[in-house]
Amino acid sequence: DTGVSQDPRHKITKRGQNVTFRCDPISEHNRLYWYRQTLGQGPEFLTYFQNEAQLEKSRLLSDRFSAERPKGSFSTLEIQRTEQGDSAMYLCASSLGTGVNQPQHFGDGTRLSIL
Amino acid sequence: GNSVTQMEGPVTLSEEAFLTINCTYTATGYPSLFWYVQYPGEGLQLLLKATKADDKGSNKGFEATYRKETTSFHLEKGSVQVSDSAVYFCALSGGSNTGFQKLVFGTGTRLLVSP
Repeated sequence: DTGVSQDPRHKITKRGQNVTFRCDPISEHNRLYWYRQTLGQGPEFLTYFQNEAQLEKSRLLSDRFSAERPKGSFSTLEIQRTEQGDSAMYLCASSLGTGVNQPQHFGDGTRLSIL
Repeated sequence: GNSVTQMEGPVTLSEEAFLTINCTYTATGYPSLFWYVQYPGEGLQLLLKATKADDKGSNKGFEATYRKETTSFHLEKGSVQVSDSAVYFCALSGGSNTGFQKLVFGTGTRLLVSP
């Protein structure tokens, strides 16, 4: 069990640029989640995959955000035309989905800073 | 909708002091309750969980009891250590009419333990 891996750990970019983050879940975990955490706040849910299907998206996920999980393994989160308000820690989590009580295991996150 | 309220921090204690971090929740049905801990620069780690009323979750000397009558899940530890300094998040998932486990987090409580 190597844990949930996220890449990169830090991303600094200029406003208006596109960025893409990657998440590798714990192997055999079929559920994958993205959350966003701003300074001093708890994480907020963005989107959820079961295998390759994206089953839920928060209204926080504007049309500039897109997430994929093409083969039901790793996932990518892309932000187009970044804005200052996108600066945050982006967290990925995975769980083994056989019921509603399976705990989610988090990666160390990608910290995005918009200049 | 579902929500979690935590006591504001920081909580400042001396080593070996008793710790309580209050958490109350609002949810329909029967959610699962969690405590996560976040060390500086890292992602969230699951500390403990409880999935039904009167369950007690415990780990590393921390405990929390699922109290449905008071909608609470307070975190306690009998004797804190400097290494317990971190941010603690209370969270819930599930409840009625939910098909998946979006986690709803509180805002977090920072614990500072001095020698």
